[in-house]
Amino acid sequence: GESVGLHLPTLSVQEGDNSIINCAYSNSASDYFIWYKQESGKGPQFIIDIRSNMDKRQGQRVTVLLNKTVKHLSLQIAATQPGDSAVYFCAENNAGNMLTFGGGTRLMVKP
Amino acid sequence: DAMVIQNPRYQVTQFGKPVTLSCSQTLNHNVMYWYQQKSSQAPKLLFHYYDKDFNNEADTPDNFQSRRPNTSFCFLDIRSPGLGDAAMYLCATSRDSGGGQPQHFGDGTRLSIL
Repeated sequence: GESVGLHLPTLSVQEGDNSIINCAYSNSASDYFIWYKQESGKGPQFIIDIRSNMDKRQGQRVTVLLNKTVKHLSLQIAATQPGDSAVYFCAENNAGNMLTFGGGTRLMVKP
Repeated sequence: DAMVIQNPRYQVTQFGKPVTLSCSQTLNHNVMYWYQQKSSQAPKLLFHYYDKDFNNEADTPDNFQSRRPNTSFCFLDIRSPGLGDAAMYLCATSRDSGGGQPQHFGDGTRLSIL
């Protein structure tokens, strides 16, 4: 079946370092991917998205990389700050704009 | 300036007592979604409305129902909540059902069952 999964359930980084959160997907036909950030007690917040005709997309301090050959997605956060501490979900966009979420990675930023 | 608003943020109900959660949106989006999210898990889609067309996920319990009286509002009704229904319930919207659009989430209602 179709699935989206993450390699690491918890990532701990030092403040100021770069963070990389990884995600694998299985549906090679997927053409749109989203990263969400979810802070404690809040709903998922859109961070960045990428379409399958791109390999890389940059936002403010965040970069998403897409490797369609190995069906792998990553989120890079530059100069990680305490406010980046949250659970990060990748999501795969399916027919009808339905989302298939990955299992989530908890990012912990050490001061 | 919240765009997807869920009320209440916290809801406590008794086992078996019907409860209704509400969601409103100021985005004028055609599609509204309800998700259930349990602790340390990803959101799980319950159902969605495309305009007034209701779409139920195959594994959504019959205990869960939804209403969408107009574009802006959507309700989640749990007829007879069980202990296993304690969770965060998230509402989301998207402009339409064409692919390649992000869903915008509210901050959820955390439901507790006594």
